[in-house]
Amino acid sequence: ETGVTQSPTHLIKTRGQQVTLRCSSQSGHNTVSWYQQALGQGPQFIFQYYREEENGRGNFPPRFSGLQFPNYSSELNVNALELDDSALYLCASSLGGSSTGELFFGEGSRLTVL
Amino acid sequence: GDSVTQMEGPVTLSEEAFLTINCTYTATGYPSLFWYVQYPGEGLQLLLKATKADDKGSNKGFEATYRKETTSFHLEKGSVQVSDSAVYFCALSDQGYQKVTFGTGTKLQVIP
Repeated sequence: ETGVTQSPTHLIKTRGQQVTLRCSSQSGHNTVSWYQQALGQGPQFIFQYYREEENGRGNFPPRFSGLQFPNYSSELNVNALELDDSALYLCASSLGGSSTGELFFGEGSRLTVL
Repeated sequence: GDSVTQMEGPVTLSEEAFLTINCTYTATGYPSLFWYVQYPGEGLQLLLKATKADDKGSNKGFEATYRKETTSFHLEKGSVQVSDSAVYFCALSDQGYQKVTFGTGTKLQVIP
């Protein structure tokens, strides 16, 4: 069973640039969620994708957008980067319709905005 | 909206000491409750869960009981080990499982 993988693991951008983060979900999982974890804080929900459709969104501006592909992998795009976007971005997969609500996380992509 | 409050760390304990990490929550309806753990250099992973009132989740010697009357889900372990050193997150999920709300995390350091 392949776990959740994310790329890149680290990246540095400058303010105003755009970034794309990628995630491959765990085998058999059809739902992907993205979280932002600032240093010393808990993860904050950005949005969730289920069967290629956005299925819930947290309190993040529209410059945070995403995609889910037919193989259930996903991308997180952030436009017009701001210094406060510096954080660890976590992807989590799950089985939609599961009664447990358990998430399986990747190790994250650490974004630094200068 | 939903929220989770957990005790601030860091918590430093000697090996074989008793551990309690307090967690309380605010939510509408009947959320599921979780403890996730983040070991150094690793991703978040589920430690234990409880899906309804009075359920007890347990794993690796850790336990937590879903207390609806006190809206709490405190994490306990009778005898901690150095290998338990990690950051522990209390969390809840809404009934639709679209969103998991996390606490700020409690760092535990266990010294020999």
